[in-house]
Amino acid sequence: EVQLVESGGGLVQPGGSLRLSCAASGFTFSAYWMHWVRQAPGKGLVWVSRLNSDGSSTSYADSVRGRFTISRDNAKSTLYLQMNSLRVEDTAVYYCTRIGGSGTFDYWGQGTLVTVSS
Amino acid sequence: DIVMTQSPDSLAVSLGERATINCKSSQSVLYSSNNQNQLAWYQQKPGQPPKLLIYWASTRESGVPDRFSGSGSGTDFTLTISSLQAEDVAVYYCQQYYTTPRTFGQGTKVEIK
Repeated sequence: EVQLVESGGGLVQPGGSLRLSCAASGFTFSAYWMHWVRQAPGKGLVWVSRLNSDGSSTSYADSVRGRFTISRDNAKSTLYLQMNSLRVEDTAVYYCTRIGGSGTFDYWGQGTLVTVSS
Repeated sequence: DIVMTQSPDSLAVSLGERATINCKSSQSVLYSSNNQNQLAWYQQKPGQPPKLLIYWASTRESGVPDRFSGSGSGTDFTLTISSLQAEDVAVYYCQQYYTTPRTFGQGTKVEIK
C-alpha cells in the first residue's frame, strides 16, 4: 500500500525556518517525481515545488522561489522541504504528493500544518 | 501561468440528482504528442487530502464510482456526478498538468439540497 507521511510542521515566527519531511513507503520511491502542494486554512490548493526522481531538477512557485528548497534522499525514501524566511502568508497545510502514471498527483499524504505567526 | 476557473463556486443538489461542475483553462491543455488533455479532477472532503477522481479529462482513476465522469477538450471541461450520493459532499478541484506551475481551479463546493 502506497503511503506518504508528512512531518515537521508547527508554529514558527515570521522570518523563521522549518524543514518538512515526507516519508514514503509501498512503492519504489526513487522512480517517482514528487511535489509539494499547500492549502491555506479555508482556501484552495496551490502548487509549491517539484523534484524529479533522481533529485537533479527542481521547480518552484514564484511565491517561494529563493526561500524554499526541495530535496530527497532516495536511500531513505524521504522527500524534504526546507522553508526559510517564512512569512505569515506561508501558513498552510503542506501536502506531499506523487506523480503517477497518469502524469498527475495520484497519491497524497495527510498533510502537515505550518503556522507562521508572532 | 495557466489560470483555471471553475463554475459555480458552490451548488446544492438533491440526492439522486445530477451535479455538473465546469472548468475553463486560460489556454489549451491538449498535449499534442499523446493527444490527451492534461486535466485532472480531485475530490476533497473536510479534513482529508485531495483524492484523484479523473485524469486525461475523462479517464476515471481505479476505484472511482462510475457515477463520476469527465468530459471536454482544449480549454473547456466538465465533471458530472450522475446521481449524487451523500458521500459525494465535498469540494471538487480541476487541475492542469500541461505545464509548470501546475495550477488548480478555485474549487466548487457540492452540498445536498
